[in-house]
Amino acid sequence: GQSLEQPSEVTAVEGAIVQINCTYQTSGFYGLSWYQQHDGGAPTFLSYNGLDGLEETGRFSSFLSRSDSYGYLLLQELQMKDSASYFCAVRDGRDDKIIFGKGTRLHILP
Amino acid sequence: GAGVSQSPSNKVTEKGKDVELRCDPISGHTALYWYRQSLGQGLEFLIYFQGNSAPDKSGLPSDRFSAERTGGSVSTLTIQRTQQEDSAVYLCASSFGGSAEQYFGPGTRLTVT
Repeated sequence: GQSLEQPSEVTAVEGAIVQINCTYQTSGFYGLSWYQQHDGGAPTFLSYNGLDGLEETGRFSSFLSRSDSYGYLLLQELQMKDSASYFCAVRDGRDDKIIFGKGTRLHILP
Repeated sequence: GAGVSQSPSNKVTEKGKDVELRCDPISGHTALYWYRQSLGQGLEFLIYFQGNSAPDKSGLPSDRFSAERTGGSVSTLTIQRTQQEDSAVYLCASSFGGSAEQYFGPGTRLTVT
């Protein structure tokens, strides 16, 4: 089967850095993605890691270690607008199905 | 072009009635996904289409749920004999081929009274 584990909630201070971890178990693996969802909105794509290492997109970075079945999303210079839920998702290489974790609610304090 | 669209945006129905939810994916996207999200919860996978076929229907909660996709484009999710526990936001997403980047529609908020 497939499963993803991520913390349910994380709290950080505006201007700081926060890391959201994700561990996964899949029968086949073709990459780890991250999505952001604001309250009342639809998820939007943030990043994708198909290979080990760090991918950087502005204030957001994502990391993958396939040997550890682990990845994280790093948010720098936190802004109040970053308050949202963040989901990791894996693509199963056998059938291209994409499965989401339960999401991490990020609270940002002024 | 336009993004993923879903209709209706809101649907209130009485328990026991059937409902149909529609999803129009981005033109050219071969993969289409349906998810269900209850308030404050994660995304529950329902079904996935590659073209018109559904390799994986394992997420459908019961035989009251069915989905089809025609012409490799529009998809309809049908819920028969709705129950109050079916109340949720139903999200549709599409992607191009095997791309991991999914584009989500705005969702249909279903309320069963």
